This record gives sequence, structure tokens and C-alpha cells, in this order.
Amino acid sequence: GAVVSQHPSWVICKSGTSVKIECRSLDFQATTMFWYRQFPKQSLMLMATSNEGSKATYEQGVEKDKFLINHASLTLSTLTVTSAHPEDSSFYICSARDAGRQTGAPQHFGDGTRLSIL
Amino acid sequence: DAKTTQPPSMDCAEGRAANLPCNHSTISGNEYVYWYRQIHSQGPQYIIHGLKNNETNEMASLIITEDRKSSTLILPHATLRDTAVYYCIARGGGNEKLTFGTGTRLTIIP
Repeated sequence: GAVVSQHPSWVICKSGTSVKIECRSLDFQATTMFWYRQFPKQSLMLMATSNEGSKATYEQGVEKDKFLINHASLTLSTLTVTSAHPEDSSFYICSARDAGRQTGAPQHFGDGTRLSIL
Repeated sequence: DAKTTQPPSMDCAEGRAANLPCNHSTISGNEYVYWYRQIHSQGPQYIIHGLKNNETNEMASLIITEDRKSSTLILPHATLRDTAVYYCIARGGGNEKLTFGTGTRLTIIP
């Protein structure tokens, strides 16, 4: 149980295009999902908290108009990187926690999306 | 989140027990200790978590000191596939965000 799926696994795009990444909780509902970014040889950095039915909460320094987050249902959150440039190339990872589980239940992560902007 | 401190790297011989320490001296009473690992180019994998009692599952054991200021993750019989970066995180038990430190890079030696 507690499977989080991300799609696509990797994507290569030209500079200036927008890229959408999906994060799905396959066997549970998640009122909150989290989006992280990881650069080579670095740890995961939280970008934003995605809240079902309301606006996402962005971490300091993350441009909300650049990284659009939509959490339209209890099993799906999307991250759209708008007008992507080479510096946006990174490994993007989402996580979610089963809203129905007891206090302390862990978050589970997707396998990540490797984004390369040419 | 309480700050956690882990050694940057460790080696362990294949087949032996790998013991990964974590210091979380400022942990508060409602914060759990979570362990994740990340194998290269994959998302973090949940391993185990606990509040104050020792825990064991099919992957590992978690030993938390009585004062809760530190813990040890034990992989009982390490294999080459256990080579990864291991993260120890102290956090409340709800929908709070996870803050990742630099973790411990564990290398299993054949």
C-alpha cells in the first residue's frame, strides 16, 4: 500500500516550453502533497505544499508564477514548470501522506521526474 | 522540525549489520523520528519510524534512546543493494513538511 506515482519519469524539452508533472496517490487519498527539487549531489529541497481545493503554499525563494501547482482532487497534484529554462533542469519529486492514517503515519515519495531543458 | 545530525558517510561489509546513528537532541515530545533512504536517481524510500519505543519491520530496526535525543537505524544483514543515502528526520505526526538534511552515505563493501 501507500504508493505514489509520478509521471513522466523523465522529460527533455526545449527552452521556453512548459512542462507538467503529475503526482498521484494510487491507493489512498491525500489532502496534502509536497513537491521537492533536487540538484546533483545535493539533498532534497522543499518547493511547495500542495493543498487539495486551495492554493499551494510556496517556500521562500520559489516563484509561484514559475512553478504552478494544482491539487484538484484527493489523489492528484500537478506541478507545471512554465517557460522552462536550462537552470530549471533538476530532479523533481513529490510526496504524500494517507489522510486516513493515524497520527505519525509516514509520507511516501514518488520515483521522481528528471527534467532536462535544452 | 528538530535539527538532526548524521555522519556524512559510513562503510559496512556485506552481510554485517549496518548501524546508522542520528542525533536529535532538540526533539520535542510530539515529534517522531523517520528514516528514509535514497538510492541514486530514485525518490526517497520510507524505511521505518518511531516515537519513543524501539521499532522493527521487515527492512530494519529503530532503536531510540530513553531520553529520545538520539536513535540508531539498524540494517541487520546489509547487502550491496542497501548502498544509498540515509536520512533521519524528526517531525510532528501530521501533515507537516519533511526537512531533509545531508544524510549519511552508506556504502556496502563486498
